[in-house]
Amino acid sequence: TQLLEQSPQFLSIQEGENLTVYCNSSSVFSSLQWYRQEPGEGPVLLVTVVTGGEVKKLKRLTFQFGDARKDSSLHITAAQPGDTGLYLCAGACRRKLVFGAGTILRVKS
Amino acid sequence: DSGVTQTPKHLITATGQRVTLRCSPRSGDLSVYWYQQSLDQGLQFLIQYYNGEERAKGNILERFSAQQFPDLHSELNLSSLELGDSALYFCASSASGLSGNTIYFGEGSWLTVV
Repeated sequence: TQLLEQSPQFLSIQEGENLTVYCNSSSVFSSLQWYRQEPGEGPVLLVTVVTGGEVKKLKRLTFQFGDARKDSSLHITAAQPGDTGLYLCAGACRRKLVFGAGTILRVKS
Repeated sequence: DSGVTQTPKHLITATGQRVTLRCSPRSGDLSVYWYQQSLDQGLQFLIQYYNGEERAKGNILERFSAQQFPDLHSELNLSSLELGDSALYFCASSASGLSGNTIYFGEGSWLTVV
């Protein structure tokens, strides 16, 4: 059983479309992070959100932390083929960083 | 390049064997983490060390062990290997062991057990 549930598991879209990836849990996290992983590489940190209700923007990516600090979302505007990859959310819980199963995103040109 | 170095990059070994995976953290980072990534389990936390001491333990099997040396490099030992141990093993490091710290991942060691 995953502590963090990510949805959808797979997403295949056309270049220019918008998308949202969700990360949900019944647990409260002191912070939540989003990573992107490309084939043959390790996950790379995109953002850390700490405060409930916090919204952070990274170019075309918008990250939101739920008010209760149990869930988060990642919204990508006008997706590009370079956004293709595995998106992972991770929550800090009891000195451990636990990861969701990830969302595989494929952006077709 | 994250600055975290893992060796070997690929390893193929037989069931019942023992292997050692090595990790050099980013310069100055005191904390080292080991993760296992497989298709069916996703990225699973195994164990964390901070400045040579075990800090947190996750889903690490008894057949697996790890340590962090005085020079801060770490090794993950996997013994009595089974087919199901085939996975990508990541090492990561951070400056301290505090939650919310930026964690930098290496490129992983791909283990295939045949």
